[in-house]
Amino acid sequence: DAKTTQPPSMDCAEGRAANLPCNHSTISGNEYVYWYRQIHSQGPQYIIHGLKNNETNEMASLIITEDRKSSTLILPHATLRDTAVYYCIVRVAGGSFGANSKLTFGKGITLSVRP
Amino acid sequence: GAGVSQSPRYKVAKRGQDVALRCDPISGHVSLFWYQQALGQGPEFLTYFQNEAQLDKSGLPSDRFFAERPEGSVSTLKIQRTQQEDSAVYLCASSLGPQGYSNQPQHFGDGTRLSIL
Repeated sequence: DAKTTQPPSMDCAEGRAANLPCNHSTISGNEYVYWYRQIHSQGPQYIIHGLKNNETNEMASLIITEDRKSSTLILPHATLRDTAVYYCIVRVAGGSFGANSKLTFGKGITLSVRP
Repeated sequence: GAGVSQSPRYKVAKRGQDVALRCDPISGHVSLFWYQQALGQGPEFLTYFQNEAQLDKSGLPSDRFFAERPEGSVSTLKIQRTQQEDSAVYLCASSLGPQGYSNQPQHFGDGTRLSIL
């Protein structure tokens, strides 16, 4: 899988939008961008994924640049409960039957939401 | 609905003992993954099952690590002759379809924290 780079940490004020950047300059055409987060002492939680179009769900929005070399996860109104490590992952989808599509995590970005 | 369930939540063992960690995936999920997470690091892949078939065990760190999923649902990760470096959180994840043709997210349990004394 292509590697991703994320800044180690960032913070934002409660109620404001949190914009988490991710670079994936070597992404291939058949690789999706996935975002997970991990709250302390819990397993990773799926947030959203996309290929080239922007995506939105009840948790967040994912903005992928036209060249697909970077993306931004947007939490529109951050709360204290959004404090977590956020992982940006690129992942192959499709291919031969039975092919593995494991997740390759980096160190992620630690988001701290302040009151 | 029920998510991925792992037990025990915490396990303490003495060096040299064998341990078994259990994962109950979401009902009907074909794919099952095991990951290992060291303190301060992201999870690292250990092994992958599609139904009862173990299709990838490339991430298992040594032959002391063994995983099985005999009926294609519950899975057990066994570590023999544990060492201190085995101390970590062991995470299980499942997803609905086979990974090759599906583009479905993996859903994780909260893991088993293993401490080797």
